[in-house]
Amino acid sequence: EDQVTQSPEALRLQEGESSSLNCSYTVSGLRGLFWYRQDPGKGPEFLFTLYSAGEEKEKERLKATLTKKESFLHITAPKPEDSATYLCAVQAESSASKIIFGSGTRLSIRP
Amino acid sequence: DAGITQSPRHKVTETGTPVTLRCHQTENHRYMYWYRQDPGHGLRLIHYSYGVKDTDKGEVSDGYSVSRSKTEDFLLTLESATSSQTSVYFCAIGDPSGPLDTQYFGPGTRLTVL
Repeated sequence: EDQVTQSPEALRLQEGESSSLNCSYTVSGLRGLFWYRQDPGKGPEFLFTLYSAGEEKEKERLKATLTKKESFLHITAPKPEDSATYLCAVQAESSASKIIFGSGTRLSIRP
Repeated sequence: DAGITQSPRHKVTETGTPVTLRCHQTENHRYMYWYRQDPGHGLRLIHYSYGVKDTDKGEVSDGYSVSRSKTEDFLLTLESATSSQTSVYFCAIGDPSGPLDTQYFGPGTRLTVL
């Protein structure tokens, strides 16, 4: 069964304190792995798509990496505006029209 | 922002009443999706559509039906709402046949069933 597990569930950091969020997945043939950001009361906002192990994508203070079993979202020198819930999702080759989401990591950055 | 709107944005209804949520897109994407989001469960797929009048079930489809008579509109209907259907509902659009088969989400509808 295709599955996505995110850890930790919640993370509190001081402004400027770098850290990483983890997304572990099991899927029968990975077609793509997605990272989204979700602010309270809003829909998920697309950040990155990764397709193969070893691939990396960057956007401002965020960098996403991918291995055959997990993905990391690295946050470098975060600011309070980076506070949000970060969602990971995978798309299997066998069901290209559907993606499976993890439960998310709630990130809080203190000034 | 992807051109996706949802209506209504908030709704309170009573158990047993029918409810219809609407998703409208201006991007001409072939695929449209309905998800629900609940604490501890993340986003779960209810139904999706891969073209006009073409729909399929997702992970949590019981108690829901959908219709798509035009490319731009995808309706989600709760035939007889129950308290377990209290949730936040998100519509998404995408095109998995394209090189970037990413899904883009609408702003959500918060539904409360009393």
